[in-house]
Parts: sequence; C-alpha cells; structure tokens
Amino acid sequence: NAGVMQNPRHLVRRRGQEARLRCSPMKGHSHVYWYRQLPEEGLKFMVYLQKENIIDESGMPKERFSAEFPKEGPSILRIQQVVRGDSAAYFCASSPSPGRAGELFFGEGSRLTVL
Amino acid sequence: QKEVEQDPGPLSVPEGAIVSLNCTYSNSAFQYFMWYRQYSRKGPELLMYTYSSGNKEDGRFTAQVDKSSKYISLFIRDSQPSDSATYLCAMSARSGSGYSTLTFGKGTMLLVSP
Repeated sequence: NAGVMQNPRHLVRRRGQEARLRCSPMKGHSHVYWYRQLPEEGLKFMVYLQKENIIDESGMPKERFSAEFPKEGPSILRIQQVVRGDSAAYFCASSPSPGRAGELFFGEGSRLTVL
Repeated sequence: QKEVEQDPGPLSVPEGAIVSLNCTYSNSAFQYFMWYRQYSRKGPELLMYTYSSGNKEDGRFTAQVDKSSKYISLFIRDSQPSDSATYLCAMSARSGSGYSTLTFGKGTMLLVSP
C-alpha cells in the first residue's frame, strides 16, 4: 500500500527556468494539499485541490505558481521563472475526505534548489 | 504575534529521559491539534491527533491540550535515540466549507543521546 508519492525528490533549476513537481496521493484519497517548507520555517499551506478543482489557493503566491489535479494522473505544482527564494522543500499531503485533519498523510517532499 | 509559537531547540536529553515539547497559539478557533515527527530530509509523520481539550495517550507518547491557555504539549516517556527528530505541532479550525488546512509551528529539534 504505497503512501503519498512525490517526484522528483530533488530538483535543481537555474533562475528563470520552470519547475514541475508531481504528487500521486494515497490510494483512495481524492484530496490533495501542497505545503512549502522554507529553511528555518515551518510548513506553510499553499493550495488544496480535489480532482479537477482548486478548492483553496489562498496560500499560493499570486504570480508564477500554479497547481492542478487532473482527472487522470498526479497533481502538479508548477513554478515558472524560478527565483532563489523559491528554494525550499515542497510537500504534498492527501486525505480521504476534506474535514479529517487527523487523516492527512504527507509525502517525502520535493527539494527544489534554485541556482 | 505568530499564530503558532514553538521553541526551535535543539533540546538535548539522555536516553530514558521524559521529554516535554510545547506549542502556544493565538487563534481560538483551532479545534484540532496534531503532533508530527519529521526525520531529517523526510516528510512529516503523524504521531498524535486530538480534538479539543484533554489528554490522549499512545504508547510512550501523551498529548495534552489546554484550550483555555491556548497551550498544547507532547510528552515522550523513556526517550530513545530513535526519537531524535524534529517535532512539529499543527492545528486547524473547521472552515465553513468543511475542510481543514493545517497551521504548523516551526518545529522543535530533539536529540536523544545514548
């Protein structure tokens, strides 16, 4: 029973390039959350998605960041024109239902380094 | 004032010690309280989940919530070197839409020496 799968685990990009991070939720989970962990900071909520819908993107930076969770395939967090300040660990979490905070399971994270 | 305050540590203890980890918060709407353990370069792993005030015990771990003081604690008995990790408190309030997003503390690094 695979957990939340994220790839790539490590990604290096130069300033101005695009980064795409992928997340496959646990089997049976249709709710996906993305969190960002900056160095020396706690995890910060970015976006909550259900299949084909963005439910809450209140934590997403207004520019360059976008997320999707298509009907088929993984959820994707896309960062365009990356800057050094985007260097962080990006964690995906999934749950079987929206209101069960105690059933939120995290992946291992994707660590983005911007040179 | 940050919504959730947590001492970053590091907290160093000898093997077998009782460990106390704490968080304070300011948002009185928080109802759900969680503790996650995060090993270096890994994802957070849910340890304890409590709703509202009270105590919850699971093996060597005890979680306490005092909503009147806006204060939560995690106690680890008979600490082991394998408990060395960063411990994150997290909390949430039920939104009008019925879903919960988590607000995390920065985490406390715990080091248990043999």
